[in-house]
Amino acid sequence: DVKVTQSSRYLVKRTGEKVFLECVQDMDHENMFWYRQDPGLGLRLIYFSYDVKMKEKGDIPEGYSVSREKKERFSLILESASTNQTSMYLCASRTLDRGYQPQHFGDGTRLSIL
Amino acid sequence: RKEVEQDPGPFNVPEGATVAFNCTYSNSASQSFFWYRQDCRKEPKLLMSVYSSGNEDGRFTAQLNRASQYISLLIRDSKLSDSATYLCVVTGPWNQGGKLIFGQGTELSVKP
Repeated sequence: DVKVTQSSRYLVKRTGEKVFLECVQDMDHENMFWYRQDPGLGLRLIYFSYDVKMKEKGDIPEGYSVSREKKERFSLILESASTNQTSMYLCASRTLDRGYQPQHFGDGTRLSIL
Repeated sequence: RKEVEQDPGPFNVPEGATVAFNCTYSNSASQSFFWYRQDCRKEPKLLMSVYSSGNEDGRFTAQLNRASQYISLLIRDSKLSDSATYLCVVTGPWNQGGKLIFGQGTELSVKP
């Protein structure tokens, strides 16, 4: 089974802090993704990565950055956290073998910015 | 127009009912299609992929109509445990990096 692990299930931070959300997958997947999910807005793509050292902006990248130094790890960084970044953050990965395969999600991180 | 649109919910059905969810997508070059299930406060989990010829997995049947850009999910003999939000997911074309595009989800509540 694919395992996508997010570093924290719940996290509370203060406005202005630099926040790191970590995601690790154990299946050697090329693609990794970060989403946020808010009531009424569904899943929105923040950033994604095709492979190591590669990154692409998603639909809502403002206020975020990412890092993919190793294939198994994809980090999401909130440079200066703000209250409107309080959300559920979901990491996902997929392989590109045999065309586009479904994504597998981590458990999610519920982030509260106070 | 949203790229992926689903039936608005919620659907409230009794146990044993058959329920159908519909989904349309706007980009005819979309590559792959999936249904995910998401329980309250949990991550989305893959329910099934959707193939051009249609496919079935137990009580669940998925259909794809590329000409109409339409996907469906049929749940037969619904159980209390089927209560969840069902997400229609479409993979965009190669020239858009094959991003997954999620519908807003349709909430299903199965009552005793």
